[in-house]
Amino acid sequence: DAKTTQPPSMDCAEGRAANLPCNHSTISGNEYVYWYRQIHSQGPQYIIHGLKNNETNEMASLIITEDRKSSTLILPHATLRDTAVYYCIVRSNTGKLIFGQGTTLQVKP
Amino acid sequence: EAGVVQSPRYKIIEKKQPVAFWCNPISGHNTLYWYLQNLGQGPELLIRYENEEAVDDSQLPKDRFSAERLKGVDSTLKIQPAELGDSAVYLCASSPGGAGLYQETQYFGPGTRLLVL
Repeated sequence: DAKTTQPPSMDCAEGRAANLPCNHSTISGNEYVYWYRQIHSQGPQYIIHGLKNNETNEMASLIITEDRKSSTLILPHATLRDTAVYYCIVRSNTGKLIFGQGTTLQVKP
Repeated sequence: EAGVVQSPRYKIIEKKQPVAFWCNPISGHNTLYWYLQNLGQGPELLIRYENEEAVDDSQLPKDRFSAERLKGVDSTLKIQPAELGDSAVYLCASSPGGAGLYQETQYFGPGTRLLVL
């Protein structure tokens, strides 16, 4: 199962873009990159996922490098409610989501 | 559309007592997951059901943990007897099923926070 590496914590100013990096150098060709976030005392919330191409939805954008060894989650205009732990996950070929410790994003006013 | 429902939200018990958690997945979702989340850690899969069949229970400590999903809808996770180290958040998630494992999006419930004294 591919392992991901994320910085343990990041700060972002409210209204600015938050760029959360993730390394997944051992990813296989058919494994998807998923991002979830977990706000305090809640269950993880799905954000976005992708395979090769960049993806965008109402919550965020996902930029995957051409070699697929890293990706960046972009929250274009961070708000205080975006303060959470963000998990980058490579979905294994068995279908499992293997969570790491994630990045704690603190959005500051 | 209602999300994944879990109850209770909080439970405090004494060690050696039994405890049960209930989960109702999103309507129509065939796949159901139970996760364990220790403080400061990411969730870890305990068991996965496809309809009523447990297809991955390799991480479930079977000496004290059991789970069931008798009619392929709601599910119960039980611990008997509970130990101090079982204090954690127990999360339930569901996904539609059938779309292919590589892009099954899981939707999580709020979790049950267990404290064993």
